[in-house]
Amino acid sequence: AQSVTQPDIHITVSEGASLELRCNYSYGATPYLFWYVQSPGQGLQLLLKYFSGDTLVQGIKGFEAEFKRSQSSFNLRKPSVHWSDAAEYFCAVGANSGYSTLTFGKGTMLLVSP
Amino acid sequence: GAGVSQSPSNKVTEKGKDVELRCDPISGHTALYWYRQSLGQGLEFLIYFQGNSAPDKSGLPSDRFSAERTGGSVSTLTIQRTQQEDSAVYLCASSIREYTEAFFGQGTRLTVV
Repeated sequence: AQSVTQPDIHITVSEGASLELRCNYSYGATPYLFWYVQSPGQGLQLLLKYFSGDTLVQGIKGFEAEFKRSQSSFNLRKPSVHWSDAAEYFCAVGANSGYSTLTFGKGTMLLVSP
Repeated sequence: GAGVSQSPSNKVTEKGKDVELRCDPISGHTALYWYRQSLGQGLEFLIYFQGNSAPDKSGLPSDRFSAERTGGSVSTLTIQRTQQEDSAVYLCASSIREYTEAFFGQGTRLTVV
């Protein structure tokens, strides 16, 4: 069965500092991988996704993620965090791009300090 | 509409009562999904509708949960005889078709007291 682990429940980063959110997955074949962001009281917004090809994926809002098969990881990064990035971030893995197959991690809450 | 609309945004109900949660997908989207987000948990898939096909109900946690989608548009998620463990945010999402990006509504926060 597929699973996703986001080891950090909370992360605090100073505004302007770099960010890396960790995501490890378990899946038997080549996974489809996603990162979502959820602002308070909002639904989820897709940041980026990986299906195949270049392992470094660029997303919206200046985010990127790198697929590392050897480490079963898909970490999310941003070089300089803005206060508006404070939100909860979810990593998800699927057997394909169908949303009914996705398994979500429990999320990482990002706090941005001034 | 411009986005996925869910109503009500908040619902408080007494244990044992039935509740109905509504989802208005983006016009023209044939795929519709319901998820449950419990405190400190990720999203849990509940049910999936695609066009006129039979829905994928594999994620429904018990027979107290049901959903329908009328006319390929609006969907209603019904929880019968609510229990305290049903307290969660229920999110609806829609996509143009399966395997394309899904857009999420803001969710309905259900509290069972």
